[in-house]
Amino acid sequence: AQSVTQPDIHITVSEGASLELRCNYSYGATPYLFWYVQSPGQGLQLLLKYFSGDTLVQGIKGFEAEFKRSQSSFNLRKPSVHWSDAAEYFCAVGALNYGGSQGNLIFGKGTKLSVKP
Amino acid sequence: DVKVTQSSRYLVKRTGEKVFLECVQDMDHENMFWYRQDPGLGLRLIYFSYDVKMKEKGDIPEGYSVSREKKERFSLILESASTNQTSMYLCASSETGAGANVLTFGAGSRLTVL
Repeated sequence: AQSVTQPDIHITVSEGASLELRCNYSYGATPYLFWYVQSPGQGLQLLLKYFSGDTLVQGIKGFEAEFKRSQSSFNLRKPSVHWSDAAEYFCAVGALNYGGSQGNLIFGKGTKLSVKP
Repeated sequence: DVKVTQSSRYLVKRTGEKVFLECVQDMDHENMFWYRQDPGLGLRLIYFSYDVKMKEKGDIPEGYSVSREKKERFSLILESASTNQTSMYLCASSETGAGANVLTFGAGSRLTVL
C-alpha cells in the first residue's frame, strides 16, 4: 500500500539558515509527489510537484525538492529560511488510479517548522 | 486562480445535531474531496467525488455522508455529530487527467462538537 513518512515532527532553524525536510514514500511504481505548506488556521498551499523528468524540481517561495528513486525520498530544501516560512509542511504521494480513484493523495503526518530570529 | 470556498470557518455544535459543511469551487473542476485533519494524524480522506451525483468512500467514511448535486458544490454531512468528530475539515478540488492529483484546498472548517 502507498504510504508517506515524514520522520521529523518538529524542526527549529534559525532565520537565514538552510532547511531540509525529509519525506520517504512507499509506492510500487513511479509516484507523483507533492509538497504542501499550511500556515496556522489556513488550508494547504501547493509548494511544488514531481511527475516525471528532472528529479530536481523548483517550487514557489524559493523551495526545491529532489526525487531520489533509490532512496524512495523526496526531500524539501531551502537555502535560506525566512521567518515567514514558519508553518507546517506536508509531503504527499498520488496516483491516477490508486484504489480505483482518481486524484487521491496520501499525506504524511506533517513537519512543523519553527524559525528562530 | 482556482478558488475553493468553505462557507463556515468555525462551527460549534452539540452532540446529536446534524451538521452541514459546504464547499464551493469556481474552476469547473470534476474532482472534489473532503479530508479531515487532526494533530499527529495528518490528513485523512473521508469522501471524494468524480462527478455530479457521484461519490466514493475514502479511508474514514464512517459517521459521514456527502452530497454533490451540482458540479461546483460538495457538501459534507454529519448525520448525528459526536465529540470525536471535533476536527478541522478541509475541502479540495482538482481537474481530471494529468492534473487530477494537483489539489487546491479551501481554508478549512474547524468544527467543535460539545
